[in-house]
Amino acid sequence: KQEVTQIPAALSVPEGENLVLNCSFTDSAIYNLQWFRQDPGKGLTSLLLIQSSQREQTSGRLNASLDKSSGRSTLYIAASQPGDSATYLCAVSSYSGGGADGLTFGKGTHLIIQP
Amino acid sequence: DGGITQSPKYLFRKEGQNVTLSCEQNLNHDAMYWYRQDPGQGLRLIYYSQIVNDFQKGDIAEGYSVSREKKESFPLTVTSAQKNPTAFYLCASSIDRGVQGSGYSSGANVLTFGAGSRLTVL
Repeated sequence: KQEVTQIPAALSVPEGENLVLNCSFTDSAIYNLQWFRQDPGKGLTSLLLIQSSQREQTSGRLNASLDKSSGRSTLYIAASQPGDSATYLCAVSSYSGGGADGLTFGKGTHLIIQP
Repeated sequence: DGGITQSPKYLFRKEGQNVTLSCEQNLNHDAMYWYRQDPGQGLRLIYYSQIVNDFQKGDIAEGYSVSREKKESFPLTVTSAQKNPTAFYLCASSIDRGVQGSGYSSGANVLTFGAGSRLTVL
């Protein structure tokens, strides 16, 4: 059964720093991997989707990479801003995925950007 | 603007009562989902529906019920049988459920989420 782990659970950095959030998964037979952002008390907003055949996706200051063989994805945030403060969740779609929809979510990384 | 609307945003319930959470989408998506989120936990699937008049249990369906009479609507009822209903409930939709299990993913299970409903049992 697929398991998704996000490290660190929480991160606090000064504004302007570049940072990396990590997501690891146990079964490399995945269809795709998604990164989401969740603001306190709100729903999830999709940031990036990487198909299993892709190595990375970019959107603005965000870059997500995927290494299927090692079971890892990273979300790189350049020049962080206070508005980036949120919880970032990783979700993996796989045949062995937990949940009947094949999606397995990590518990998230709670990010605080200090002004 | 297209999107998913969940209501109410906050709901308080007495023990022994059933409550229904509303989820409406105008994205013309076929698939809809209900997730539960507890503090410090990943999302867990309660129910999902791929098409009108059809729905399937997720990992934690006990104590919940759903209906899908219209494409746009997927209400979730939290029944008195749910032992620990206090949680944040998220509704989502996707164009379809993708092609799971065949080794090919259309990527069509990109999810759009509602803003959530927080249920507290008093």
